[in-house]
Amino acid sequence: DAGVIQSPRHEVTEMGQEVTLRCKPISGHDYLFWYRQTMMRGLELLIYFNNNVPIDDSGMPEDRFSAKMPNASFSTLKIQPSEPRDSAVYFCASRAGRSGNTIYFGEGSWLTVV
Amino acid sequence: AQSVTQLDSQVPVFEEAPVELRCNYSSSVSVYLFWYVQYPNQGLQLLLKYLSGSTLVKGINGFEAEFNKSQTSFHLRKPSVHISDTAEYFCAAAVSSGSARQLTFGSGTQLTVLP
Repeated sequence: DAGVIQSPRHEVTEMGQEVTLRCKPISGHDYLFWYRQTMMRGLELLIYFNNNVPIDDSGMPEDRFSAKMPNASFSTLKIQPSEPRDSAVYFCASRAGRSGNTIYFGEGSWLTVV
Repeated sequence: AQSVTQLDSQVPVFEEAPVELRCNYSSSVSVYLFWYVQYPNQGLQLLLKYLSGSTLVKGINGFEAEFNKSQTSFHLRKPSVHISDTAEYFCAAAVSSGSARQLTFGSGTQLTVLP
């Protein structure tokens, strides 16, 4: 199993530019999560999907952030326009079924907005 | 709603010494509890989890944790640490309602093993 695959691993972009982060969950997993990790706030859940449908997006910081899951094997997190305070590590994770099952994390996308 | 508190942000220990990383949770319902490890520049990896049954849970890399319901704690322990255990450790909780509730993470504990 290839695990959760995220791209890009590292991105540096200028303020105001659009950023698109990509995620391929583990095959067969029906839950997909986007987390953000910063020194100040730790790990925060941004949004999660079940069977490609967004269930809870209350963690999305503002309208500049959007996430989609067009099919079971692909999701994107988009920031438009990006700001320096968006600099963080963004993790995608996936899980099969119920809340006691293990969540598997990708290696993260390290975003720096200058 | 549940919350997770990791009491120590930094824990330095010498190699081969024992270590305990503390975690307390609060929840009005039963929870599942997890410990994740994050090595530098990597994602999170599950160390161990408590769902039900025996309160002493053994995980990978020689770690174990004990669920204490009366103290609402789930402390992580290792009797003898190695340099390679240097990493950040996250405690997390999920309600056991069977719904698709996400994990709530603690703020993390940086374990540094010194030679």
